[in-house]
Amino acid sequence: QSVLTQPPSVSGAPGQRVTISCTGSSSNIGAGYDVHWYQQLPGTAPKLLIYGNDNRPSGVPDRFSGSKSGTSASLAITGLQAEDEADYYCQSYDSSLSGHVFGTGTKVTVL
Amino acid sequence: QVQLVQSGAEVKKPGASVKVSCETSGYTFSNFYMHWVRQAPGQGLEWMGIINPSGGTTNSAQKIKGRVTMTRDTSTRTVYMELNSLTFEDTAVYYCARGGPVSSSLEYWGQGTLVTISS
Repeated sequence: QSVLTQPPSVSGAPGQRVTISCTGSSSNIGAGYDVHWYQQLPGTAPKLLIYGNDNRPSGVPDRFSGSKSGTSASLAITGLQAEDEADYYCQSYDSSLSGHVFGTGTKVTVL
Repeated sequence: QVQLVQSGAEVKKPGASVKVSCETSGYTFSNFYMHWVRQAPGQGLEWMGIINPSGGTTNSAQKIKGRVTMTRDTSTRTVYMELNSLTFEDTAVYYCARGGPVSSSLEYWGQGTLVTISS
């Protein structure tokens, strides 16, 4: 059972905006540790999507954005496209566990 | 370009050990931490541990601490993850992943190694 909680699924029509929440606690996100986001397409390795809460690696479209507030973080996808259909995971560090942790994961479905 | 190439799939019996390798290229090996992450079939990502290739220091997840050993060979730019006392619950795809622009992020990933525990 992960210490970072995400909704199991979100969906939206092409062109719409969807958001994925990542809820943590005072020992991880709330303690000021960075949050990172990953996209995993079926049968492939995860890909870094957002690092350091709100930064995009080179090559990641600006349709993807991240934010962090208090003990939670969010990933937003605007202008949803069919190719965005994937699993998304948040990740941070937890001081109580003395290790890194992933969120429970969210499946994004494009209707 | 940065590349992480992992060893091939393994089938092991319960109680055995498995050692997965991750050969790196395209960057300064000692400058970036390496993480190990696993994913059981149909499940989410689970962080296993981290190794500093420079000094070899490691830290592992509490769940598997005592069963996992992470090492590196600087001459071949390869990191290794060995997991012992395997159970059926250890069946998973195992990934190595290099630290990124923020050291706690995982920027580059290996292709994954499927480890199947079967009697």
